[in-house]
Amino acid sequence: DTGVSQDPRHKITKRGQNVTFRCDPISEHNRLYWYRQTLGQGPEFLTYFQNEAQLEKSRLLSDRFSAERPKGSFSTLEIQRTEQGDSAMYLCASSLVTGNYGYTFGSGTRLTVV
Amino acid sequence: SQQGEEDPQALSIQEGENATMNCSYKTSINNLQWYRQNSGRGLVHLILIRSNEREKHSGRLRVTLDTSKKSSSLLITASRAADTASYFCATDETSYDKVIFGPGTSLSVIP
Repeated sequence: DTGVSQDPRHKITKRGQNVTFRCDPISEHNRLYWYRQTLGQGPEFLTYFQNEAQLEKSRLLSDRFSAERPKGSFSTLEIQRTEQGDSAMYLCASSLVTGNYGYTFGSGTRLTVV
Repeated sequence: SQQGEEDPQALSIQEGENATMNCSYKTSINNLQWYRQNSGRGLVHLILIRSNEREKHSGRLRVTLDTSKKSSSLLITASRAADTASYFCATDETSYDKVIFGPGTSLSVIP
């Protein structure tokens, strides 16, 4: 296991199109998080899963955003009817539930909406 | 919403000097974490300090935590050009189940 993998690394899409990103966490980690980061800012929390259960969604996550983790392993983040304001880096992280452990982040998916 | 606020926003030093970054936060925490991010890449976890700890070391990194002042500092000693990156503090709040990141400090180490 080489860490958290995100696919694709870059995505350019036209406004109004749907996009889907994938995250493969570290296999032993039961927590999976999605964050969004714009240039010059820190990551903003979007949502997280414990196993297959989605436990929290940020108010930042409009109805156009949906995330799944169907078997408690990989996760997908879908954005419907993309807007230019959705352009950002989408970061996935995983961690263990118990104890005080840091997060392991993937390299991110950079989305550009034109 | 952002819990932590780093200070300064940007820092430029010569190679070999020490770099100190500060983080202030607002509510009770379980732990505080520091991350590094190279341009256009994901974040790398550097160090975690629990709320009952006051100081922690990892290689050239030294982190302090003062829960009475709700502040933390990250010291990088004998800096190298490869330390050039953005550094973020992240707080694991007692009332939430996730970490909240600050806006970060951009560190430039000049060879």
